Amino acid sequence: QQPVQSPQAVILREGEDAVINCSSSKALYSVHWYRQKHGEAPVFLMILLKGGEQKGHEKISASFNEKKQQSSLYLTASQLSYSGTYFCGTELSGSARQLTFGSGTQLTVLP
Amino acid sequence: DAGITQSPRHKVTETGTPVTLRCHQTENHRYMYWYRQDPGHGLRLIHYSYGVKDTDKGEVSDGYSVSRSKTEDFLLTLESATSSQTSVYFCAMGTPNTGELFFGEGSRLTVL
Repeated sequence: QQPVQSPQAVILREGEDAVINCSSSKALYSVHWYRQKHGEAPVFLMILLKGGEQKGHEKISASFNEKKQQSSLYLTASQLSYSGTYFCGTELSGSARQLTFGSGTQLTVLP
Repeated sequence: DAGITQSPRHKVTETGTPVTLRCHQTENHRYMYWYRQDPGHGLRLIHYSYGVKDTDKGEVSDGYSVSRSKTEDFLLTLESATSSQTSVYFCAMGTPNTGELFFGEGSRLTVL
């Protein structure tokens, strides 16, 4: 079952922060986050495993709330290069690496 | 080196014709995936493979079949293409430890 992402779109000014949420109605083993620029393939950002810690990559970090089956992606002090569509991908417990993606959040960072 | 390549990158075909898309990886990874991407739907899983001759259906598998006779190649076949299968198709490979996916560049298929 496809995870639900929110918001669908975000417009920011350079330097502002953003949060993208991803939720599932089923028990998750892992949550992946990817970014896709227009006309390109999605690129891996990070993965959060059940029982794991919050991850970070420079000014982009994420958390995973196992009780609520929710993950959030935090973009701090946005840069122009952060623009793109962000997808969360979820792997259910016992699903043997079957990764299902949300419909995406389009992030636009303006100068 | 891309590590994963798709062919053809662009194809225009007519309704009712068979189409095969090829995904080739050079990393010897066990897991491979086919997704389709349409506006408003994100990436939807068609089929995936967890080894040679080991495949399973995803959420939108109707009208598609796959084959994996070698570790490096994962083929997606549309037996009789329909206009609803017009889409961008992405192949991906999953790394063995973390499971992160590396995507190919995509194949844009138009069915007239």
